[in-house]
Amino acid sequence: NAGVTQTPKFQVLKTGQSMTLQCAQDMNHEYMSWYRQDPGMGLRLIHYSVGAGITDQGEVPNGYNVSRSTTEDFPLRLLSAAPSQTSVYFCASSYSISRFSDTQYFGPGTRLTVL
Amino acid sequence: AQSVTQLDSHVSVSEGTPVLLRCNYSSSYSPSLFWYVQHPNKGLQLLLKYTSAATLVKGINGFEAEFKKSETSFHLTKPSAHMSDAAEYFCVVSDGNSGYSTLTFGKGTMLLVSP
Repeated sequence: NAGVTQTPKFQVLKTGQSMTLQCAQDMNHEYMSWYRQDPGMGLRLIHYSVGAGITDQGEVPNGYNVSRSTTEDFPLRLLSAAPSQTSVYFCASSYSISRFSDTQYFGPGTRLTVL
Repeated sequence: AQSVTQLDSHVSVSEGTPVLLRCNYSSSYSPSLFWYVQHPNKGLQLLLKYTSAATLVKGINGFEAEFKKSETSFHLTKPSAHMSDAAEYFCVVSDGNSGYSTLTFGKGTMLLVSP
């Protein structure tokens, strides 16, 4: 079991560029989500998915796009990168979205810098 | 709406002395509560969770937390700090109010351990 994997680990973009952060899990988890972590802010939810084909917005969705075509993968797309999107991005998954006591498993993170 | 307040942004202790990291929460429903730890440049790891069973919850590495509904608190403690405990700690609440579980993170407490 690889758990939750994220690629790349580091990325530098120029303003206006687009890119996709990859997230995959091999635990057959229903629920996947993306967070961003900024100093002194904790983690904030960007988007989440409760299953293949179903996504919804979190607290800070602007500038980001997601899709979920398979149970395993949940990519996060930055359409036109801005310096305000400089952050560390974490993907997480859990067995069931409706069981709110479920443990979330986090990937190792992607550190993104937008110049 | 749910929210979490971690009362200290930084806590400094000496090795071998007790650790207390404070967390207060707000939730309209019976919540699940979690503590996660993040070591430098790493992902988040679950320390422990409360899910409406025993109010005193034991976690990994000697940490424990007590759920006090009357005080809306979920403070994290450890009897004796170790150098390897130096990390950032996040208190997290989830109440499934919307029908789906969403996590709300505190802003984090950095634990510094001196020899």
